[in-house]
Amino acid sequence: GAVVSQHPSWVICKSGTSVKIECRSLDFQATTMFWYRQFPKQSLMLMATSNEGSKATYEQGVEKDKFLINHASLTLSTLTVTSAHPEDSSFYICSAPTSFTDTQYFGPGTRLTVL
Amino acid sequence: SQKIEQNSEALNIQEGKTATLTCNYTNYSPAYLQWYRQDPGRGPVFLLLIRENEKEKRKERLKVTFDTTLKQSLFHITASQPADSATYLCALTGGGSYIPTFGRGTSLIVHP
Repeated sequence: GAVVSQHPSWVICKSGTSVKIECRSLDFQATTMFWYRQFPKQSLMLMATSNEGSKATYEQGVEKDKFLINHASLTLSTLTVTSAHPEDSSFYICSAPTSFTDTQYFGPGTRLTVL
Repeated sequence: SQKIEQNSEALNIQEGKTATLTCNYTNYSPAYLQWYRQDPGRGPVFLLLIRENEKEKRKERLKVTFDTTLKQSLFHITASQPADSATYLCALTGGGSYIPTFGRGTSLIVHP
């Protein structure tokens, strides 16, 4: 199956700093990638759709200036949490659909803890 | 509004039994439904996809049914093993969007 990686797997930062999370499709090209946030015992909440070569599409209630998304190549999308605050602490997961299936392939997730 | 419901209470079963998890939805006309497995601290892993015109899908010890009249999908794991313990998510896609909407998931605990 298709493989999606994320880096880092976990990060701890101080309040007010920015954190960048990378999402890579390792063995296929992904013109679209999705970024989710998941709080403990909650569902995956879609934050934004990342489109290669164009602006991301953000879900209602997600601040685009706070969660910067860049999809500069067909295998890499990045999510930057700017001026992070403790309430941004969460599990961030990316996914990518392949062109040959209807399913999503998820990265292993990034645990962000903001102190 | 669209709603996906999965039993929030953990399902505890004995090893060797069949586990059955439920996914109900309202105000939705899904083109297809997917089941994923999620282990703690990990991203979801795709298990099975079933389309609106399919009644049942099987893969090894897994079986999924899809009843668009009842607006329900059942996910079965036969001969369950402790290694099957995880959270299982259902996700629906349809209504003109290719982006799936996820349920909250049901935790399955298989006791040896």
